[in-house]
Amino acid sequence: AQSVTQPDIHITVSEGASLELRCNYSYGATPYLFWYVQSPGQGLQLLLKYFSGDTLVQGIKGFEAEFKRSQSSFNLRKPSVHWSDAAEYFCAVGAVNGNKLVFGAGTILRVKS
Amino acid sequence: SQTIHQWPATLVQPVGSPLSLECTVEGTSNPNLYWYRQAAGRGLQLLFYSVGIGQISSEVPQNLSASRPQDRQFILSSKKLLLSDSGFYLCAWKPPDRANQPQHFGDGTRLSIL
Repeated sequence: AQSVTQPDIHITVSEGASLELRCNYSYGATPYLFWYVQSPGQGLQLLLKYFSGDTLVQGIKGFEAEFKRSQSSFNLRKPSVHWSDAAEYFCAVGAVNGNKLVFGAGTILRVKS
Repeated sequence: SQTIHQWPATLVQPVGSPLSLECTVEGTSNPNLYWYRQAAGRGLQLLFYSVGIGQISSEVPQNLSASRPQDRQFILSSKKLLLSDSGFYLCAWKPPDRANQPQHFGDGTRLSIL
């Protein structure tokens, strides 16, 4: 069965600084990987996804993520954070033949001005 | 385009009362449907999912049940709510038979049990 670890519960960055949120997964084959963002009291919005091919994927709102098979990682990055990026971010992994996603515990991003 | 609706957005219920949360999807056929719960400060817990009308898979034993009476309707129910049922409930859908597609989420229902 697959699993996801997001090692950082909280991260605080200054507005305009770069951001990297970590995600490590466990799965025996090439997984399907996703990053979602959740603002307080809202549902989850898909930022980006990886299925195959280019290991660097671009998403919405200026986010990107890189799949590294050797490290079982799918870290989310943004070169310059805006105050509106403050939210909770979830990494999720899906199995090739499955209907379900397994979510990490989430990372809360705080942006200081 | 596809849309997903959840209601109500907020609900306050006394302990022991019944519950019915509804989720509907528009613009797609035979979607996979999911109910998640998000407790305060915790991640998403998958409660139920369905790949077709009348088919329900339960992920965790609990006080809740789910039903899918129509293709694009997914209902979460309880006969008697417990304090521990408080939380944020999210419904999601994804296209059928396509494991590489993401799930798309509704705006959620905030349930408070008094």
